[in-house]
Amino acid sequence: QLQLQESGPGLVKPSETLSLTCTVSGGSIRSGSYYWGWIRQPPGKGLEWIGNIYYTGNSRSNPSLKSRVTISLDTSKNQFSLKVHSVTAADTALYYCARHGRPGYYYDYMDVWGKGTSVTVSS
Amino acid sequence: EIVLTQSPDTLSLSPGERATLSCRASQSVSSSYLAWYQHKPGQAPRLFIYGASSRATGIPDRFSGSGSGTDFTLTISRLEPEDFAVYYCQQYGSSLTFGGGTKVEI
Repeated sequence: QLQLQESGPGLVKPSETLSLTCTVSGGSIRSGSYYWGWIRQPPGKGLEWIGNIYYTGNSRSNPSLKSRVTISLDTSKNQFSLKVHSVTAADTALYYCARHGRPGYYYDYMDVWGKGTSVTVSS
Repeated sequence: EIVLTQSPDTLSLSPGERATLSCRASQSVSSSYLAWYQHKPGQAPRLFIYGASSRATGIPDRFSGSGSGTDFTLTISRLEPEDFAVYYCQQYGSSLTFGGGTKVEI
């Protein structure tokens, strides 16, 4: 059974870089030609798509965040990662990683999600 | 960007009742690329419906999705205690956006 687990610091200082990792277990990140994504939920708000990455390493990001977001892949560790640069309090959120439901579709529904990790931006 | 507006914000119902959740898009969602998720506190969001009307694996048939174009509906025919949660719609026809959610409460 495919499982995803987010990990990373729970507290980041303003203007610094938020770094999170999603570890995939129960399957290989290289198999099936799937996209792997990041989604966040600020406190009291709805879900926001951050971006995704293909098993080849090609990535796409939400235009509202694009200049501050880097998504990368480490197939040897079966992980993919998110970096959000120059963070502010507005980046405080629950961050989720997820797998897209259909191989090869960069815009898609997500059929497997991690449980999420909370990140607070504060000095 | 396609904006999804969900209504109502909160639906107060009792077990056994029927729930009707609405998701309206600011422009047409191509190929009915619309999904619904259930989200409970402390848990991962769970895919319930994709392609506007297809149930995901393991989702009971009391859940049904319908609609096309700009208007979509998630219906729960008879609420069970485990159905009380927040439900989000998401479109994936043009980039990826989510609605603001509808809370189904007892």
